[in-house]
Amino acid sequence: RKEVEQDPGPFNVPEGATVAFNCTYSNSASQSFFWYRQDCRKEPKLLMSVYSSGNEDGRFTAQLNRASQYISLLIRDSKLSDSATYLCAGDTGGFKTIFGAGTRLFVKA
Amino acid sequence: EPEVTQTPSHQVTQMGQEVILRCVPISNHLYFYWYRQILGQKVEFLVSFYNNEISEKSEIFDDQFSVERPDGSNFTLKIRSTKLEDSAMYFCASAGGARDEQYFGPGTRLTVT
Repeated sequence: RKEVEQDPGPFNVPEGATVAFNCTYSNSASQSFFWYRQDCRKEPKLLMSVYSSGNEDGRFTAQLNRASQYISLLIRDSKLSDSATYLCAGDTGGFKTIFGAGTRLFVKA
Repeated sequence: EPEVTQTPSHQVTQMGQEVILRCVPISNHLYFYWYRQILGQKVEFLVSFYNNEISEKSEIFDDQFSVERPDGSNFTLKIRSTKLEDSAMYFCASAGGARDEQYFGPGTRLTVT
């Protein structure tokens, strides 16, 4: 099983839609989780961290389910500018961070 | 807003040559990282660095790679003898704490010919 696994998508949604991504992790020692967005050929940009049960920032909500070992990202009222690849990442209990392969989102007018 | 910077933005080198990629982390951060991303693939962890020593490294980070913090601001990644398969984007990241959010630099695109 991959350490951090994501559905690659692509997710094609209309503007204004709500879309959710899941990410599973295999290492039960992982403590910190993050969602990043990455635009084509650019660096990952931090969206939000998920340290305990969840986090909300405007239209974005992240949840952590330790029992089932997954984190989720919900985007409400999607904008065209939300089109990107969304990466989840988690530590391995030490000083190593593992990224998922990313989920591609296309928001259409 | 403080940011991580990296130089050069693009480096072209011949196979077998040594390259040094440079990063200036956010000034009050203590944890530093290098990642690579081969075109079309995922971001891969290479190494973490704290208190002037390697904290953890991946299986990719073999004897060809080394990291250094030569002064109070720079953090470098050296590849001793580049191979074609080293062609990738190399991202530096820094964080204030061991499991804090990591902020990424814009990357160096390394092309080995």
